[in-house]
Amino acid sequence: DTAVSQTPKYLVTQMGNDKSIKCEQNLGHDTMYWYKQDSKKFLKIMFSYNNKELIINETVPNRFSPKSPDKAHLNLHINSLELGDSAVYFCASSQGHGRGLGYGYTFGSGTRLTVV
Amino acid sequence: DAKTTQPPSMDCAEGRAANLPCNHSTISGNEYVYWYRQIHSQGPQYIIHGLKNNETNEMASLIITEDRKSSTLILPHATLRDTAVYYCIVRGTDKLIFGTGTRLQVFP
Repeated sequence: DTAVSQTPKYLVTQMGNDKSIKCEQNLGHDTMYWYKQDSKKFLKIMFSYNNKELIINETVPNRFSPKSPDKAHLNLHINSLELGDSAVYFCASSQGHGRGLGYGYTFGSGTRLTVV
Repeated sequence: DAKTTQPPSMDCAEGRAANLPCNHSTISGNEYVYWYRQIHSQGPQYIIHGLKNNETNEMASLIITEDRKSSTLILPHATLRDTAVYYCIVRGTDKLIFGTGTRLQVFP
């Protein structure tokens, strides 16, 4: 199936731990994103990579470090997890980027992170 | 990116058309109007987008006013599976910025 896939789907971990979320897309897109959806259901962009290069970093704490080994993968590593990091994290991809381009995003099904 | 305003919630009877309004009075000439929806616990799903002409696809129709200051997403025959939060987004830069959306409840 062509899609954006994220692993794991659920992640429960203790405060202070380090964890990673993986994302892969087989759509041939050149741009990938991470979004965070908090408990109030507000979706906020965190990062964007185009052809493995960081193009958007929305003032996310530096405990969050995205890594893009190739344009089909964008992983999210989180150090020293805090209670406030509990949220659903969505990966997305699109083809192309730039002002006014009418390209849609394809989202993954999300990773529910719970920090206890 | 221009700000959008949507009603927080709407109801629609199954089989009827659902018309979801969106105001974007500060939209600029090269900004597109996008619609996404998020069904409970799933990732957002692209529905449709347009610049100034009305658009239709297999999911919905998008009606954009001539001055582009507002638009309406139309689901012609709503089903229970269309119950979701619908986001209207004006995009002019590299990122989609989601607002609070409209929670559409389709009832039997």
